[in-house]
Amino acid sequence: GENVEQHPSTLSVQEGDSAVIKCTYSDSASNYFPWYKQELGKGPQLIIDIRSNVGEKKDQRIAVTLNKTAKHFSLHITETQPEDSAVYFCATGYTGTASKLTFGTGTRLQVTL
Amino acid sequence: DAGVTQSPTHLIKTRGQQVTLRCSPKSGHDTVSWYQQALGQGPQFIFQYYEEEERQRGNFPDRFSGHQFPNYSSELNVNALLLGDSALYLCASSLWTGRSFYNSPLHFGNGTRLTVT
Repeated sequence: GENVEQHPSTLSVQEGDSAVIKCTYSDSASNYFPWYKQELGKGPQLIIDIRSNVGEKKDQRIAVTLNKTAKHFSLHITETQPEDSAVYFCATGYTGTASKLTFGTGTRLQVTL
Repeated sequence: DAGVTQSPTHLIKTRGQQVTLRCSPKSGHDTVSWYQQALGQGPQFIFQYYEEEERQRGNFPDRFSGHQFPNYSSELNVNALLLGDSALYLCASSLWTGRSFYNSPLHFGNGTRLTVT
């Protein structure tokens, strides 16, 4: 089955700096790549997603890049703010069965003042 | 617009007991999936329900079963609880468009924290 590796496990940045989280996956058939943010005591919240026919997608301070050849994708957060502090998960799936996602192990992002 | 709601928020059970968790999907959604999230880990897919039938299943034993009702709400049942079943159980909903979930990403509830002692 699919295996998703996520790095780093923890990331500390100063407010205003950029943060980058990277994921690699094993199943070349995966074609849907969402990113979720999970705050303490809450469920994961979708922040951005990308499909395999797109190499990059941006939404305000958040961007995701996908390299299908290398089977890796990354989350970029610019101008980080304290409210960005949370655990971030990458995931993979198939658009035909997008309910079944395989998640990475998560990155705890801490934005310090 | 009501999001995904789950009940109860917390639950403590003893080994060997049975538990039922409940989920109401986001308004307009017709598909419900359940995930298990162990402490410090990413969510793991348990199964998906659509049109009151289990459509996909992850690598979980038969002790885990579910149900979907005509109003799209769902239940997750776990029998013969083990200590290792202690986790956050997440319900997620989406909309089947007839071809794929292409335009309908998963929306998660805040989960039920199950502790097995």
